[in-house]
Amino acid sequence: DVVLTQTPVSLSVTLGDQASISCRSSQSLEYSDGYTYLEWYLQKPGQSPQLLIYGVSNRFSGVPDRFIGSGSGTDFTLKISRVEPEDLGVYYCFQATHDPFTFGSGTKLEIK
Amino acid sequence: EVQLVESGGGLVQPGRSLKLSCLASGFTFSNYGMNWIRQAPGKGLEWVASISSSSSYIYYADTVKGRFTISRDNAKNTLYLQMTSLRSEDTALYYCARLYYGYLYFDYWGQGVMVTVSS
Repeated sequence: DVVLTQTPVSLSVTLGDQASISCRSSQSLEYSDGYTYLEWYLQKPGQSPQLLIYGVSNRFSGVPDRFIGSGSGTDFTLKISRVEPEDLGVYYCFQATHDPFTFGSGTKLEIK
Repeated sequence: EVQLVESGGGLVQPGRSLKLSCLASGFTFSNYGMNWIRQAPGKGLEWVASISSSSSYIYYADTVKGRFTISRDNAKNTLYLQMTSLRSEDTALYYCARLYYGYLYFDYWGQGVMVTVSS
């Protein structure tokens, strides 16, 4: 199974600063069709997860442009510029390239 | 408005069975793949199972393969998860989520239903 390793486990950021989360895969996430099925989800406290980024770098509808996904192959990054209070929660990367699908272990973003 | 409402959770003894349901509304259910994803108390997300729109393709996590069965009734707009031989480690909040084809992302999630396996 594909293992997604997220770092750091937790992150404390000052409002207005940038946050960066890494997601490393144990296998390349590029599928035979050339697409990379790597997504980022945010679970705010007490809520269901919500989609932020799909296909490595595509922002989902309504997601602010402060959220930027990048990477390829086995190394991926989510950057959040100008962190705002509503960004707090746990961020998960997820891969749908290989069966079984897998989530990363999560990164908790806290506001200083 | 897309809605996914899970039901059927509760307290069950180890080794017993339970069947979860997810009633979908606000979209053409038969056009979308559906998934179950769970979250143990205080832990991260774990993908459990996936079913294609016509039930032709079904996939499971290794941790539930052979014990859980995902199914759907497109006439009733309902997704199911039949869970058998339940273990304490199956205790979790179970979410159903809609899968958007093409990019394979979960664009809508339910609020989740709690399953507690304990004697």
